[in-house]
Parts: sequence; structure tokens; C-alpha cells
Amino acid sequence: NTKITQSPRYLILGRANKSLECEQHLGHNAMYWYKQSAEKPPELMFLYNLKQLIRNETVPSRFIPECPDSSKLLLHISAVDPEDSAVYFCASSPLPGQGSQNTLYFGAGTRLSVL
Amino acid sequence: GQQVKQSSPSLTVQEGGILILNCDYENDMFDYFAWYKKYPDNSPTLLISVRSNVDKREDGRFTVFLNKSGKHFSLHITASQPEDTAVYLCAAGGDNNAGAKLTFGGGTRLTVRP
Repeated sequence: NTKITQSPRYLILGRANKSLECEQHLGHNAMYWYKQSAEKPPELMFLYNLKQLIRNETVPSRFIPECPDSSKLLLHISAVDPEDSAVYFCASSPLPGQGSQNTLYFGAGTRLSVL
Repeated sequence: GQQVKQSSPSLTVQEGGILILNCDYENDMFDYFAWYKKYPDNSPTLLISVRSNVDKREDGRFTVFLNKSGKHFSLHITASQPEDTAVYLCAAGGDNNAGAKLTFGGGTRLTVRP
């Protein structure tokens, strides 16, 4: 799927700050960050619906999302923790009238490894 | 606790066989149910989905059955092929206009032997 691009694909960090980037070329208005840890299902971290943020309250405050426009999504991570090691998927979906609003289109993911 | 559960972490079948993947959910408000397929080091992609106003939907070799009273839905795959080897994630969500807040199951790793 080249219509949702994520960068970087792989990230190895010590305790540093870093940002993940996502851009979708599908014309969708809803964008998401999902976290998939080893042997676990993808879990919703953040949802932007027409640039309005809906947050999963269990996500640590060191994760800060940003949605500069409806096609781009960023995830800023400060002082990463080993428990943050996971694959971070960006996704988008249509809104009512654009198609099936429950269908998620995922990017390839960023594999974060925290040393 | 887990709102969406897949009871079988893995399943192996012979090519050409029929298989059933199961998913149970807890939230009565869920009314959208889907199966996603994920290859290693790839992203999940939608395979098939159904809304709660129907109890079955078929798409080629893939059929999803929904049992709302039992809070259960399943994926039936016929004439299985080695290319079906992947992780299958079930997902459920509520109908809303504020984005697709899907809850995923833990996945079933399917292997189809030639």
C-alpha cells in the first residue's frame, strides 16, 4: 500500500526524542495511530477526525500527536521507555459519504526498538 | 479485560481444506464486524466485513457469519490455499460518525500446508 506512507520504517533509540511521520493520499479525513506490541493486537492510541483529536486516555503523556493538515499525521515521542518498543501503524478511513467509514487503511508501520 | 477475543492463537490446515476462525466480543454496542489479514512485516488489510443488520456475508471463498445474541462472529475459508497463510485479526466497532474506533482481537496465525 503506497497510498499511506510512514517514515521511518525502522527506528532504534536510546532514551531520546523522536517523531514518526505519516501521510495519506486517499483523501480521507480521519487518521489514526495504532500501537502493536509483540504478541498483542493493534491498540488505538489516537484518532483525528477532521483534525479534532480523540485520545485513548491510557496512552502515556510522552506520546504527543500532531495533525498539521488532514493528510498528515505526526507522533512525537519524548524520553522513550523500553515498553514503547512496538510497531506503530498509521491508518486512515473515509468519513460518512466518502465510503465505508469503518474501513481502516493502514500504512506499513514504523518498528520502534528501544535499547 | 479483552473486549474482542480470538480463542485460537494458531491453526494449521491442508491445502484445499475448509477452516473456521472464531471471534467473541463483549460490547453490546458493537455493530460492525470485520476480519483483517496480515502478512509478516506488512500492515493489516481488510478482508471482509459485515454490519449487524445481516448475519452473513460472502465474498468468494470467504464468508463471515454473525451471531449477535451470542456475541460471536466467524470467518469461514473454503478451498484454502498456501497464499492464505497469514495472521487473521478480527475487529469490532460501533457505528458512529467520529471515525472507526475498532477493537482488534489477538489474531490467529493460519498456516496452509501445500
